[in-house]
Amino acid sequence: DIQMTQSPTSLSPSVGDRVTLTCRASQGISKSLAWYQQKPGKVPKLLVYAASRLETGVPSRFSGSGSGTDYTLTISSLQPEDSATYYCQQYYSIPLTFGGGTKVEIK
Amino acid sequence: QVQLQQWGAGLLKPSETLSLTCAVYGGSFSGYYWNWIRQPPGKGLEWIGEINHSGGTNYNPSLKSRVTILVDRSKNQFSLKLSSVTAADTAVYYCAKVEAQTRNPHGPWGQGTLVTVSS
Repeated sequence: DIQMTQSPTSLSPSVGDRVTLTCRASQGISKSLAWYQQKPGKVPKLLVYAASRLETGVPSRFSGSGSGTDYTLTISSLQPEDSATYYCQQYYSIPLTFGGGTKVEIK
Repeated sequence: QVQLQQWGAGLLKPSETLSLTCAVYGGSFSGYYWNWIRQPPGKGLEWIGEINHSGGTNYNPSLKSRVTILVDRSKNQFSLKLSSVTAADTAVYYCAKVEAQTRNPHGPWGQGTLVTVSS
């Protein structure tokens, strides 16, 4: 199985901050990487797929990048509604696997 | 846009079989893999398995011996069965859609079903 490691596990930025979340795969995954946002008690919401393609309707302050084993999700200017846990997922090989999540709490 | 609506029993006893169904509304059923994912309370996400419109399946090896995913093309539905459940199978179960050709995830997930296993 491909292991997905997210860092940091949590952070407390301020509104307006630029925030970068990292996801590292245990082997190369050829940009087969998605990012999800999950708020408490809610369904995970797809933000980015294919490492850098924004899902329809997702605000442009979100962006994804990376290749090989290392990927990032960037929020260019953090908004109050971005408080959530963010998960990465690789879909390069079966079984599909998720990272452990990064919790973003607005300071 | 495609909507996924899921249902199934929410309370099971140990050793029983979990059974959930997900219906696909408003879009094509072919050309996609239909996935099941679960999330234990307060924990992360675990992929269970998937099926395409013609019945081809992929399962997580960690659950493969207990999982069956079936498709009903006539109803645009797919289902999950997980046998011999234990408390460790207590989780919110979600259905989701993946493009078959690109493997890209696509669209919103189902609303989730909390399944609790307790004697």
